[in-house]
Amino acid sequence: EVQLVESGGGLVKPGSSLKLSCVASGFTFSSYGMHWIRQAPKKGLEWIALIYYDSSNKYYADSVKGRFTISRDNSKNTLYLEMNSLRSEDTAMYYCAKNQGDAWGQGASVTVSS
Amino acid sequence: DVVLTQTPVSLSVTLGDQASISCRSSQSLEYSDGYTYLEWYLQKPGQSPQLLIYEVSNRFSGVPDRFIGSGSGTDFTLKISRVEPEDLGVYYCFQATHDPYTFGAGTKLELK
Repeated sequence: EVQLVESGGGLVKPGSSLKLSCVASGFTFSSYGMHWIRQAPKKGLEWIALIYYDSSNKYYADSVKGRFTISRDNSKNTLYLEMNSLRSEDTAMYYCAKNQGDAWGQGASVTVSS
Repeated sequence: DVVLTQTPVSLSVTLGDQASISCRSSQSLEYSDGYTYLEWYLQKPGQSPQLLIYEVSNRFSGVPDRFIGSGSGTDFTLKISRVEPEDLGVYYCFQATHDPYTFGAGTKLELK
């Protein structure tokens, strides 16, 4: 069974940093690109980043470019999202998703508030 | 950036009715490889989104054949024939042709 499990969310102050993790199982993680997608409370979905299977290419939404970094460790079947200079507008549920969208995690909640 | 405009914003249906959702793109979604990377997702209340349709018209494994995706270029449609209770939620189109990738704003399917 394909499974993605996010962790690392929490309540942080504006300007601080946080690192999310997403552990994959049930498929060959090293063969697939991976996305981070977020959803602010009561809002729609926002794509924020993609990393190729071999980390050769990374793409970001303008809203997070320069502040967030997507990375992966294929030896640990783990995807990461390092978030710096957090703002209140980054408050959201953060989902990792397998490329082609056929598997999503349950989400990690991030709240940025003073 | 590519803007995906979904209409309607909300759709009230009676069980057994047909529902139709439009997704219009500000640019053609046909990629240089000839494929069109337009996907449809359903997010049920309290759940993560789930893939319904990929590459415009291909149903993901296990998706009932009452879900039909169609379209090309900039105009796409998701039709749901014979709406059932488990079809209720918010539908999103998503394009993975142009960087940055983008979602439509969503269409809420609810009971009349």
